[in-house]
Amino acid sequence: AQSVTQPDIHITVSEGASLELRCNYSYGATPYLFWYVQSPGQGLQLLLKYFSGDTLVQGIKGFEAEFKRSQSSFNLRKPSVHWSDAAEYFCAVAGTGGGNKLTFGTGTQLKVEL
Amino acid sequence: EAGVAQSPRYKIIEKRQSVAFWCNPISGHATLYWYQQILGQGPKLLIQFQNNGVVDDSQLPKDRFSAERLKGVDSTLKIQPAKLEDSAVYLCASSLGVGDSTEAFFGQGTRLTVV
Repeated sequence: AQSVTQPDIHITVSEGASLELRCNYSYGATPYLFWYVQSPGQGLQLLLKYFSGDTLVQGIKGFEAEFKRSQSSFNLRKPSVHWSDAAEYFCAVAGTGGGNKLTFGTGTQLKVEL
Repeated sequence: EAGVAQSPRYKIIEKRQSVAFWCNPISGHATLYWYQQILGQGPKLLIQFQNNGVVDDSQLPKDRFSAERLKGVDSTLKIQPAKLEDSAVYLCASSLGVGDSTEAFFGQGTRLTVV
């Protein structure tokens, strides 16, 4: 069965600092990988996705993520964090042929200090 | 383009009562999902529809939860009777199809509190 681990429950960074959120997945074949962001009281918004091809994926709001098969990782990065980035971030995996059924990690709560 | 609509936004009920949630997906989206998000956890898939047929309901607690999508558009999720552990946010999502590269769009969710 597929699974996702987000080892950091909470992360605090200063505005303008760089950010990296960790995500490790477990899946027997090449997975489809996603990062979603959830602001309080809001639904999930897709930041970026990886299906195939270039392992460095660019997303919205200046985010990027890198797929590393050897490490089973799909870490999310942003070079300079803005106060508005404070939210909860979820990594998710969908199996090939899975009909886009997503398995989510437990999330990382990002706090931005001004 | 209108997004996924859900109602109500909030609901408080007593245990053993029943409750229903409604979802209207994005127009033209054939696939509809219901997820349960318990506080401090990531969303968990409850059921997936393709048009008006069920694709996957393996994680739906069928003794108390039911869902339908009669005309392949709107969907309702019902809990009867509710338990304390059903307190969660119930998210509806839709996508164009079941193709692996199609993106799922999420509604704002219904926050259920069972007291």
